[in-house]
Amino acid sequence: KAGVTQTPRYLIKTRGQQVTLSCSPISGHRSVSWYQQTPGQGLQFLFEYFSETQRNKGNFPGRFSGRQFSNSRSEMNVSTLELGDSALYLCASSRLPTSPAYYEQYFGPGTRLTVT
Amino acid sequence: AQRVTQPEKLLSVFKGAPVELKCNYSYSGSPELFWYVQYSRQRLQLLLRHISRESIKGFTADLNKGETSFHLKKPFAQEEDSAMYYCALSDPNAGNMLTFGGGTRLMVKP
Repeated sequence: KAGVTQTPRYLIKTRGQQVTLSCSPISGHRSVSWYQQTPGQGLQFLFEYFSETQRNKGNFPGRFSGRQFSNSRSEMNVSTLELGDSALYLCASSRLPTSPAYYEQYFGPGTRLTVT
Repeated sequence: AQRVTQPEKLLSVFKGAPVELKCNYSYSGSPELFWYVQYSRQRLQLLLRHISRESIKGFTADLNKGETSFHLKKPFAQEEDSAMYYCALSDPNAGNMLTFGGGTRLMVKP
């Protein structure tokens, strides 16, 4: 079956702009999580969505937001971009919003965002 | 707050040598621990989870609650084991949220 897909794969934006990233989970998966990966901070959890509701949120400013649609596809938005937002943004999907110990999370290839 | 520490950023061994990738965690409760691996130009993927007590590609990891560690071991490293390895922790009551360590790059030399 097809894996998690993320679009676009690469993006260049200017400070102050906003950006929207998209994630399509594996068919049948209803939980979508987002992570930010940077050389300095590593992999950090942003938020998780299930049934169009945010279930968990990491320690990020309100400029970072997300949503999930009825078909489980998810988008994340970053407003008023800062240089420090340059990162690889990973999306992961799982069948249910329970621990990955029971339902494996599958990661997408990521979207590389560069803010200039 | 939960935290995962991988003290080595880079570990270089020769083919056939034993490998141990260290992982220590801090968490007040009974966490679930995982190892994820990212091979060159591939996606991050689950290698193993502690509740399964499984051996994947010859790798094993034992949860030591007394030492709060979850080290990854393999008795004989192979060149194809070269990759980035991440230890991660999950709060059983916090859904799919994973807390990752900083990662260790394993290089297996021929």
